[in-house]
Amino acid sequence: DAKTTQPPSMDCAEGRAANLPCNHSTISGNEYVYWYRQIHSQGPQYIIHGLKNNETNEMASLIITEDRKSSTLILPHATLRDTAVYYCIVRANFGNEKLTFGTGTRLTIIP
Amino acid sequence: EAGVTQSPTHLIKTRGQQATLRCSPISGHTSVYWYQQALGLGLQFLLWYDEGEERNRGNFPPRFSGRQFPNYSSELNVNALELEDSALYLCASRPGTGTGYNEQFFGPGTRLTVL
Repeated sequence: DAKTTQPPSMDCAEGRAANLPCNHSTISGNEYVYWYRQIHSQGPQYIIHGLKNNETNEMASLIITEDRKSSTLILPHATLRDTAVYYCIVRANFGNEKLTFGTGTRLTIIP
Repeated sequence: EAGVTQSPTHLIKTRGQQATLRCSPISGHTSVYWYQQALGLGLQFLLWYDEGEERNRGNFPPRFSGRQFPNYSSELNVNALELEDSALYLCASRPGTGTGYNEQFFGPGTRLTVL
């Protein structure tokens, strides 16, 4: 799996958009970008994934640069419940690939 | 739809003992993954089972083992427990085909404490 780099921590005011960056400069052509989050001591929760087009679902939006070397996860209206560690993972989309988690970004939503 | 369930929630053992952790995947999911999350460390892949067979394992010693039953539930066994085995053990499941094929759905975890 390609390596990812994320800032260790970020703060965001409640109600504002939280933008979490991820660098994955060695991503291969068949590798997708996945985002998971882990709220304190719970199991990780899938958020979103994409290949090269921007993606949006009910939780978040994923913006992938044209060269695919970086991406940004956007939580449009952050709430206190969004406080968590966010993991950016790149992997081939064969379904059977294990997830390789890095250290992630600890996002704290400030009231 | 019920999520991935794990039991027990907490488990306390002493060094040298054996621990057995259990996981029930989401109904219809055939793949089960086990991960270890030690305090201050990231999630480390342990084992992957699919259709009753071990498909892949992470960089862990052989005293970490498991199995998958015909109903796709799974057990993780840790023999000869060491202090550093204290961690949150997470199970994830994935459907074999169809929607969500590439997503892993995680359970709440079992916190193992070795004294």
